[in-house]
Amino acid sequence: AQSVTQLGSHVSVSEGALVLLRCNYSSSVPPYLFWYVQYPNQGLQLLLKYTSAATLVKGINGFEAEFKKSETSFHLTKPSAHMSDAAEYFCAVSDRNQFYFGTGTSLTVIP
Amino acid sequence: DAGVIQSPRHEVTEMGQEVTLRCKPISGHDYLFWYRQTMMRGLELLIYFNNNVPIDDSGMPEDRFSAKMPNASFSTLKIQPSEPRDSAVYFCASWGRHSNQPQHFGDGTRLSIL
Repeated sequence: AQSVTQLGSHVSVSEGALVLLRCNYSSSVPPYLFWYVQYPNQGLQLLLKYTSAATLVKGINGFEAEFKKSETSFHLTKPSAHMSDAAEYFCAVSDRNQFYFGTGTSLTVIP
Repeated sequence: DAGVIQSPRHEVTEMGQEVTLRCKPISGHDYLFWYRQTMMRGLELLIYFNNNVPIDDSGMPEDRFSAKMPNASFSTLKIQPSEPRDSAVYFCASWGRHSNQPQHFGDGTRLSIL
């Protein structure tokens, strides 16, 4: 079975600073990878997905993620944080019709 | 595409009462998931269905919880009797048959048991 590890349950960045949210998966076979965002009092929305095309995936709101097979990682980045980026972020993996979520990272943006 | 539709959005009831949460998945999606989210435990998978058949209910916390999917367009999650510790946000999500597609979530039901 897959496992998804999100390092850091809470991350704080200053407005305008780089956002880096980490995600590692366990499988040696590249699965399909996703990042979701959850704003307060809302459901989970798809931010971006990797499905074995380009290793650098661009998503909504200026976010992107890079798939690194050698590191089994799929870290989420954004060059410049905005106050509206404050939310919970979930990494997820799909493998052989099973879906696995990480435990989430809460992002705080400091003005 | 109407997305995953959950009802009600909010439910407040007294302990001991029966609670029924409803979900309409996206048409054509073969999988349906029920999740519970709390501050303490985060996002937990309760049960999921494939083609209306429950596949894994190991996340259902107790016998007080039950879920059904009588047809491809409707599912219910029932709690009977409800307890204050059941207070949480409950999400339904649906998923197509291809692994490269994401799950789609509903807006959730915020349940408060007094």
